[in-house]
Amino acid sequence: NAGVMQNPRHLVRRRGQEARLRCSPMKGHSHVYWYRQLPEEGLKFMVYLQKENIIDESGMPKERFSAEFPKEGPSILRIQQVVRGDSAAYFCASSPVPQKNTEAFFGQGTRLTVV
Amino acid sequence: TQLLEQSPQFLSIQEGENLTVYCNSSSVFSSLQWYRQEPGEGPVLLVTVVTGGEVKKLKRLTFQFGDARKDSSLHITAAQPGDTGLYLCAGGGNKLTFGTGTQLKVEL
Repeated sequence: NAGVMQNPRHLVRRRGQEARLRCSPMKGHSHVYWYRQLPEEGLKFMVYLQKENIIDESGMPKERFSAEFPKEGPSILRIQQVVRGDSAAYFCASSPVPQKNTEAFFGQGTRLTVV
Repeated sequence: TQLLEQSPQFLSIQEGENLTVYCNSSSVFSSLQWYRQEPGEGPVLLVTVVTGGEVKKLKRLTFQFGDARKDSSLHITAAQPGDTGLYLCAGGGNKLTFGTGTQLKVEL
């Protein structure tokens, strides 16, 4: 039983490049959540998606950030024109039904470094 | 905005000691979860507490949810080096609000 798989584990991008972070939820899970953990800060909610739908994106920065969870394939968190302040650990979690009714399981994260 | 404050922020103890970590909020939560996160890894769920006043035990770890469902505590008995990690409380349903974290270090 594979857990939540995130890749890459580490990603280095130069300022202005694009970063694409992938998350494959646990088998049978159709709900995906993205969180960001900035250095010296706690985990902050970014976005909640179901297959082909964004349910809650209230934690997403207004510009440069987008997320999708297509019918087939992993969920993608995309950051355009990265800046140094985007350097953080990005975690994905998944659940079989809405998280408020069950447990969500986290992946190991993608550590983004912007140089 | 719901906020969760944890205390202490840092805790360094010797193996065999007992400790308590607190998680407090001015908001009511329908449930609270406790996670442990190790360096370079994602948070791992330890327990979910749902009912006010509820006490749950997980081996040497005891979790309590406050009667008013605004606070929670984690007590570890006879701490071991393997307990070292970042302990996080979280609540809020589909959009989890995480606490500020308690970094625990247990030394031999």
